[in-house]
Amino acid sequence: NAGVTQTPKFQVLKTGQSMTLQCAQDMNHNSMYWYRQDPGMGLRLIYYSASEGTTDKGEVPNGYNVSRLNKREFSLRLESAAPSQTSVYFCASSVVGSPYEQYFGPGTRLTVT
Amino acid sequence: EDQVTQSPEALRLQEGESSSLNCSYTVSGLRGLFWYRQDPGKGPEFLFTLYSAGEEKEKERLKATLTKKESFLHITAPKPEDSATYLCAVYQGGSEKLVFGKGTKLTVNP
Repeated sequence: NAGVTQTPKFQVLKTGQSMTLQCAQDMNHNSMYWYRQDPGMGLRLIYYSASEGTTDKGEVPNGYNVSRLNKREFSLRLESAAPSQTSVYFCASSVVGSPYEQYFGPGTRLTVT
Repeated sequence: EDQVTQSPEALRLQEGESSSLNCSYTVSGLRGLFWYRQDPGKGPEFLFTLYSAGEEKEKERLKATLTKKESFLHITAPKPEDSATYLCAVYQGGSEKLVFGKGTKLTVNP
């Protein structure tokens, strides 16, 4: 069991470039999440998907789009990267959201110059 | 507004020196309080879930407790390998959104 996997591990983008962060889980979880973590701000929810075929906005969705490709995969897309999107991005999954714990991937460290 | 506040922001202990980390929360209808451990450069690792006041859970040198307004993570006789940032989180009332505190960075010196 790999748990939650994320690719890439590191990425450097120039302002205005686009990219997609990939996330996959092999725990047969229904719910998946994307967070960003910034110094002094803690973990903040960007988007989540309670089940295959559904997505909802979290606390900081502006500048991002998501796709729940199937039950295993949930991708996060930056259409036009900005320096403010420099952060560490984490994907997580859970059985069915509340009240169950979420399991996190190793993260993607993104720098936008 | 639902909030999770952790204190202290940072804590330095000597090996063997027991202490507690605090997580206070304001949320309508608690549906679970979660503790995570995060090592530098890694994702948060799930430790405990507490669902109701009075509940306690233990794992090695860690013990989590819950009251109606706060949770404590007690660390007994810590070792240097316990050094990490500890995060707590609660589900935002009426939603599927997990709200995190900013964490307590624990350093245990040998």
